[in-house]
Amino acid sequence: KQEVTQIPAALSVPEGENLVLNCSFTDSAIYNLQWFRQDPGKGLTSLLLIQSSQREQTSGRLNASLDKSSGRSTLYIAASQPGDSATYLCAVMILTGGGNKLTFGTGTQLKVEL
Amino acid sequence: DGGITQSPKYLFRKEGQNVTLSCEQNLNHDAMYWYRQDPGQGLRLIYYSQIVNDFQKGDIAEGYSVSREKKESFPLTVTSAQKNPTAFYLCASSIRPQGLGGYTFGSGTRLTVV
Repeated sequence: KQEVTQIPAALSVPEGENLVLNCSFTDSAIYNLQWFRQDPGKGLTSLLLIQSSQREQTSGRLNASLDKSSGRSTLYIAASQPGDSATYLCAVMILTGGGNKLTFGTGTQLKVEL
Repeated sequence: DGGITQSPKYLFRKEGQNVTLSCEQNLNHDAMYWYRQDPGQGLRLIYYSQIVNDFQKGDIAEGYSVSREKKESFPLTVTSAQKNPTAFYLCASSIRPQGLGGYTFGSGTRLTVV
């Protein structure tokens, strides 16, 4: 059974700091990995999607890397801002005989302080 | 703008009552999904549908029912058989069957039993 772990569960940093969020998964046979952002009481906003054949994806101040063999992904946020405060979720997709399976981590709650 | 619309945003259910959560998308996505989110837990899959008039149970389907009569719509009914329905419900869609193109989420419905 695929298990996804995100560390740390919560993180508080001063504005302007660069930071790294971690995601690890137990089954390396994934098809893709997606990072999401969730604001309190809201839905999920997709940030980056990395296919299994890719090593990283970038969007603005965000960079996500994927190391399938070690079962790890990192989300790097450069020059953090208070508006980055949210919960960040990673989710991995594996293909099974019964159809695809998307498994989520429990998230990292980020607070960027002035 | 294309997207996923969930309604209502807040819903209150009395004991023994069935309620239906609406999910509509205008993204022309093939597949649609329902997830449940509880505090401190990852998202859990309730039901998913890859094409019209077809759907499959997810990990926690008991006490829920769905229909997929139109490509754009995937309503979720929470029945009286669901003993602990208070949660945040999220609908998602993907451009290809089995979610291989990444997921797009709605803004969620918060259901509370009164």
